[in-house]
Amino acid sequence: GAGVSQTPSNKVTEKGKYVELRCDPISGHTALYWYRQSLGQGPEFLIYFQGTGAADDSGLPNDRFFAVRPEGSVSTLKIQRTERGDSAVYLCASSPSRGGDYGYTFGSGTRLTVV
Amino acid sequence: DQQVKQNSPSLSVQEGRISILNCDYTNSMFDYFLWYKKYPAEGPTFLISISSIKDKNEDGRFTVFLNKSAKHLSLHIVPSQPGDSAVYFCAARPQNDYKLSFGAGTTVTVRA
Repeated sequence: GAGVSQTPSNKVTEKGKYVELRCDPISGHTALYWYRQSLGQGPEFLIYFQGTGAADDSGLPNDRFFAVRPEGSVSTLKIQRTERGDSAVYLCASSPSRGGDYGYTFGSGTRLTVV
Repeated sequence: DQQVKQNSPSLSVQEGRISILNCDYTNSMFDYFLWYKKYPAEGPTFLISISSIKDKNEDGRFTVFLNKSAKHLSLHIVPSQPGDSAVYFCAARPQNDYKLSFGAGTTVTVRA
């Protein structure tokens, strides 16, 4: 596609439930990133994929969070036993290679609300 | 620990005047700096960047200034236009790294 696509755009879930957030990067972009933006803050790094492998998952807050990118394209961020503190906008981004001089291209994000 | 700080949460400026957004950082390993612009319900979009080997980079109405000794950068928008009304994020990363550290953002409102 022309841009980074994230679905759903909004997700409301009950505390304790499991959610999956999907990211479809720009075609041909090998690097994929997940960030989380809480209210009143800037985006914070969660995880970076180069191809199919999670090259750096140091930003995942705890083991309830997990992400996959099985075929090196679409990625899914999975959150188990959601908590109210997980409420945030989850942003996915991609780039042709690692880093890049022009930063990343971000998707519009998934706004997750845990009630 | 907030390594990138934008101390002004908001800025209001009259159309045609200059907007100046400020950003401070604490990590001396940062050597590449970016500004992103974000409209409501959209993701951040890249605006302009600067490497630590430069002190100024200009792109049309947007100029970024870097003062390494002060660990400070600023974004100048001149002249400001109504379409510039958005949230602006300052971001930084170390050399050859991919992880961006973002500030909390400054909301710019351009008044007609």
